[in-house]
Amino acid sequence: DTEVTQTPKHLVMGMTNKKSLKCEQHMGHRAMYWYKQKAKKPPELMFVYSYEKLSINESVPSRFSPECPNSSLLNLHLHALQPEDSALYLCASSPGRDETQYFGPGTRLLVL
Amino acid sequence: GESVGLHLPTLSVQEGDNSIINCAYSNSASDYFIWYKQESGKGPQFIIDIRSNMDKRQGQRVTVLLNKTVKHLSLQIAATQPGDSAVYFCAEKGGGFKTIFGAGTRLFVKA
Repeated sequence: DTEVTQTPKHLVMGMTNKKSLKCEQHMGHRAMYWYKQKAKKPPELMFVYSYEKLSINESVPSRFSPECPNSSLLNLHLHALQPEDSALYLCASSPGRDETQYFGPGTRLLVL
Repeated sequence: GESVGLHLPTLSVQEGDNSIINCAYSNSASDYFIWYKQESGKGPQFIIDIRSNMDKRQGQRVTVLLNKTVKHLSLQIAATQPGDSAVYFCAEKGGGFKTIFGAGTRLFVKA
């Protein structure tokens, strides 16, 4: 298995909702990432997990809460989001710190 | 500050021609460079990479050139096909988890 999968593909939520994005990889990669990508912009790093521990939080608002239940799974819990949080949320994984990141297809999020 | 930029935001080429996408970087400490292709509605897809101890690397129809003297990176696509139409991002790493992405170049392939 050489891919990163993400669910759901699309998500529409209100500002009072709670939802979760899920990411999975079975490549044995030890680092997993969450990125946010706005239209016509490059991906922006949000969080990095290494060996299931949070290594980097790029000053992301607390309404985004990451979780790494095990080495294959990465979740992003969403609560009280704002319309400006609407974006493509990408998950990625890499074998280690200094190696290529492989991206999932993303979750297209719309906050109403 | 550190940045990775692209010389052209859009590039239009005729099908069958070669494409060259350029990228400038400013961090001399970066030692690993990656090109990604992102099609509409999809995540970035790894194309090819190069480490700073090399100046050229070839893949299938793609070549990456690295000029450390002028901090320049390029992606060459041979015999460009309609399926090559996408946004291409260069990216750099200088050690650690963070990857710095360039602004992206949109490649249009005319039939």
